[in-house]
Amino acid sequence: KAGVTQTPRYLIKTRGQQVTLSCSPISGHRSVSWYQQTPGQGLQFLFEYFSETQRNKGNFPGRFSGRQFSNSRSEMNVSTLELGDSALYLCASSLGGFRDEQYFGPGTRLTVT
Amino acid sequence: AQSVTQPDIHITVSEGASLELRCNYSYGATPYLFWYVQSPGQGLQLLLKYFSGDTLVQGIKGFEAEFKRSQSSFNLRKPSVHWSDAAEYFCAVGPFSGGYNKLIFGAGTRLAVHP
Repeated sequence: KAGVTQTPRYLIKTRGQQVTLSCSPISGHRSVSWYQQTPGQGLQFLFEYFSETQRNKGNFPGRFSGRQFSNSRSEMNVSTLELGDSALYLCASSLGGFRDEQYFGPGTRLTVT
Repeated sequence: AQSVTQPDIHITVSEGASLELRCNYSYGATPYLFWYVQSPGQGLQLLLKYFSGDTLVQGIKGFEAEFKRSQSSFNLRKPSVHWSDAAEYFCAVGPFSGGYNKLIFGAGTRLAVHP
C-alpha cells in the first residue's frame, strides 16, 4: 500500500507570493490533517479535513487555507507569504475515526525569501 | 490548556546503552498519548500509543513507554540503543473531544548515538 505523498518536496517562494501544497492520502483514508514544523514553534496543527469538510482548525491566520477533494486528496494554500512561513509542512492521513492511526507524509519544505 | 513538555532537547548515548526520553503532559482528562520518531528529511513515524488499559505499552523497534497518571508522564525507553536510533523523538497528546485528529506535540528530543 502506497504511503502518504506530498508534492512538491521542496519549494522556494518570495515574500508576498502565494503557494499551494498537495497531499495524497493512503488509499481508503478520508481524513487529512496538516501540520507546520518550525525550529522555533515546533509542530503545530493547521487544520483537518474529512470527507471534503474542514473538521478542525488550529490557531493560524486566515492566510492559511485548505480544501479536500472527493478523492480525499488535499491542498493547502498560503497567501501573501511571510518570511516566518518558512517551514516543513507535513500532512497526515487516517481513516478518520477517533482512535485511528495517523500516517505522516515526508513533508514539503517551503523556504520564503 | 493541553500541553506536552519534553524536558531534554538533546540527549547523547553510547550504542548499546539504555535510553529513557521524558515526556510530561497537561490534560484534564485521561489522555491519548503517542511517541513519534522523525529521521532527517522524513515525516513522522508512530512508535507506540497509549489509549487505555495496561500502562506499559510496547511499540516498534524495541521501544516501550510507561504511562504514569500520578506523575503526568509517558516516558519512552529502550534497553539497548542502536546507531540507527539516532533521530528526533516527539511525544504527543490527543485527539480531544471534538478535536478529532488534532495532536499537540512536545518540542522534541534529538537523540545522538555514539559508536
